[in-house]
Amino acid sequence: DSGVTQTPKHLITATGQRVTLRCSPRSGDLSVYWYQQSLDQGLQFLIQYYNGEERAKGNILERFSAQQFPDLHSELNLSSLELGDSALYFCASSVTGAKGYNEQFFGPGTRLTVL
Amino acid sequence: AQSVTQPDIHITVSEGASLELRCNYSYGATPYLFWYVQSPGQGLQLLLKYFSGDTLVQGIKGFEAEFKRSQSSFNLRKPSVHWSDAAEYFCAVGAGGNYQLIWGAGTKLIIKP
Repeated sequence: DSGVTQTPKHLITATGQRVTLRCSPRSGDLSVYWYQQSLDQGLQFLIQYYNGEERAKGNILERFSAQQFPDLHSELNLSSLELGDSALYFCASSVTGAKGYNEQFFGPGTRLTVL
Repeated sequence: AQSVTQPDIHITVSEGASLELRCNYSYGATPYLFWYVQSPGQGLQLLLKYFSGDTLVQGIKGFEAEFKRSQSSFNLRKPSVHWSDAAEYFCAVGAGGNYQLIWGAGTKLIIKP
């Protein structure tokens, strides 16, 4: 158990809908990272937050957004969903992430299926 | 731009045999290097990491990796694999000062009984 929790575990929805994925980092970790893992694209970094502020953006679509709240939990919002958004979405956390390359601890993931 | 290559998409090894998974990176200086493992239906777990010092790094579950600067490689090894090692293995590199990890495409390890 990494200490990172993600809810829900599974999500099935229809095209055009909007969903919210939730992540609680390990106690004491200030950084949260979101990743998308699909069969054809592999593991793709989406976005990082550090202590409530956006730190870095990766391959995140404009239809996707995220935020980190004062209690450090994070939410990833996916809107106008398309079939191609079906994937595993992972959250990871690390101690700082502001400077240096720290180990990232991964949650169990949310499997999103768009029908 | 920095990149990470894991040349083998799949590797099949007999149980009890030795294992080496390859990872090559492209970066001018010494990066931070990581190996993660993802068991089926699970999140990723750190096996080992290299930041500096001894180029042979020991990790969990009996894995080790060797950093070779001249070859820009950080190959993962295990002397004797167990069926429970069947998983996908990811190499990741931290380099360039933006504090993001660059991930390889992963190598799926299949264990033959």
